Amino acid sequence: AQTIHQWPVAEIKAVGSPLSLGCTIKGKSSPNLYWYWQATGGTLQQLFYSITVGQVESVVQLNLSASRPKDDQFILSTEKLLLSHSGFYLCAWSPYWGAYEQYFGPGTRLTVL
Amino acid sequence: GDSVTQTEGPVTLSEGTSLTVNCSYETKQYPTLFWYVQYPGEGPQLLFKVPKANEKGSNRGFEATYNKEATSFHLQKASVQESDSAVYYCALGPHQGGSAKLIFGEGTKLTVSS
Repeated sequence: AQTIHQWPVAEIKAVGSPLSLGCTIKGKSSPNLYWYWQATGGTLQQLFYSITVGQVESVVQLNLSASRPKDDQFILSTEKLLLSHSGFYLCAWSPYWGAYEQYFGPGTRLTVL
Repeated sequence: GDSVTQTEGPVTLSEGTSLTVNCSYETKQYPTLFWYVQYPGEGPQLLFKVPKANEKGSNRGFEATYNKEATSFHLQKASVQESDSAVYYCALGPHQGGSAKLIFGEGTKLTVSS
């Protein structure tokens, strides 16, 4: 069975500080990977997707970047956090291009002060 | 562009009553439709998907029929339980080709009291 792990579980960071969030999926080779952002009480907004190592596509610009250094790993980062970055960050995967159901990880709660 | 509109929440029901969450969509493509459920502090879980028009999806007593003519995909359950309290999202995805983008509705928060 596939498992998806996100780290850290929660972060409290200062405005202007850097950020790195991670996601690892086990039990599935070459998954499609996605990052989503969810404001408190809000809907899910897709940020990035990746279909293979080293290849990341941006869906919406929020002064964030993403990288896929390994087949099973997806990283979300920024050098300078804004207050508006607060929220719930979710990593998701789908088994192959053309299978549009996506399976979500447990999420990382980010608070920017 | 593509969009999804859901029943405005929150919705409060008593155990044993029926649930309908309305979902309407707009797209020029031929979509795949999804319902997701999110419990507090967790990531969303896929409830079910329906890739074809006029077909029904179902899981855990929830069901929805993809009505292409009405561009609707309403979620229904005959008898809700307290454990169904969660936020429900309708989502629109491509049928084939194109990007992997899922478009989520605003979510409908359901609270079921015993």
